[in-house]
Amino acid sequence: DGGITQSPKYLFRKEGQNVTLSCEQNLNHDAMYWYRQDPGQGLRLIYYSQIVNDFQKGDIAEGYSVSREKKESFPLTVTSAQKNPTAFYLCASSHINSRTAYGYTFGSGTRLTVV
Amino acid sequence: GDSVTQMEGPVTLSEEAFLTINCTYTATGYPSLFWYVQYPGEGLQLLLKATKADDKGSNKGFEATYRKETTSFHLEKGSVQVSDSAVYFCALPRGGLTGGGNKLTFGTGTQLKVEL
Repeated sequence: DGGITQSPKYLFRKEGQNVTLSCEQNLNHDAMYWYRQDPGQGLRLIYYSQIVNDFQKGDIAEGYSVSREKKESFPLTVTSAQKNPTAFYLCASSHINSRTAYGYTFGSGTRLTVV
Repeated sequence: GDSVTQMEGPVTLSEEAFLTINCTYTATGYPSLFWYVQYPGEGLQLLLKATKADDKGSNKGFEATYRKETTSFHLEKGSVQVSDSAVYFCALPRGGLTGGGNKLTFGTGTQLKVEL
């Protein structure tokens, strides 16, 4: 079955450490997205990508980095510059069409905790 | 900018009660509108969508009608079950129908708790 897979499900980061969250999709979607979810704040866009080797900053990109070397993969690195990284991270993908808005398919999320 | 506003939760209902979760939007043009559902510890799932004014999206007993006069897209269900307990998010694409890269803006979510 097609879908989008995030790993790991839980991740613990020490102060000053970089960590990378994996996101892989086999839906042949062009676009991929990373959102951060905090209690009471809904979802905030970190980065998104519409095509391989290209990506754009979202609303809260500081302290994060991404790459899009393959259509199927869009890993997110949480760097030591991100001062409050504890959150639930959601990856999503979608088709793109200039005349309509497609819904997203989401992964099951990665819960990152600073220890 | 484009945005959605949802009613605050939690909403607590008894099983078989009628559900309404309010969502209003501010947008350029007439964007598609979405409802997503998130069960505990999971990602979001698309529940339903409507692509133009007066459209009704429906799925699993849930319905929402796109009303441009009141800029609303309220989620309703006639008889909720315990298994409907989740967080519900209203969303729309930024920048109007053709929205830049199909980026979605989400509401803050409304938690629904259904009790026996």
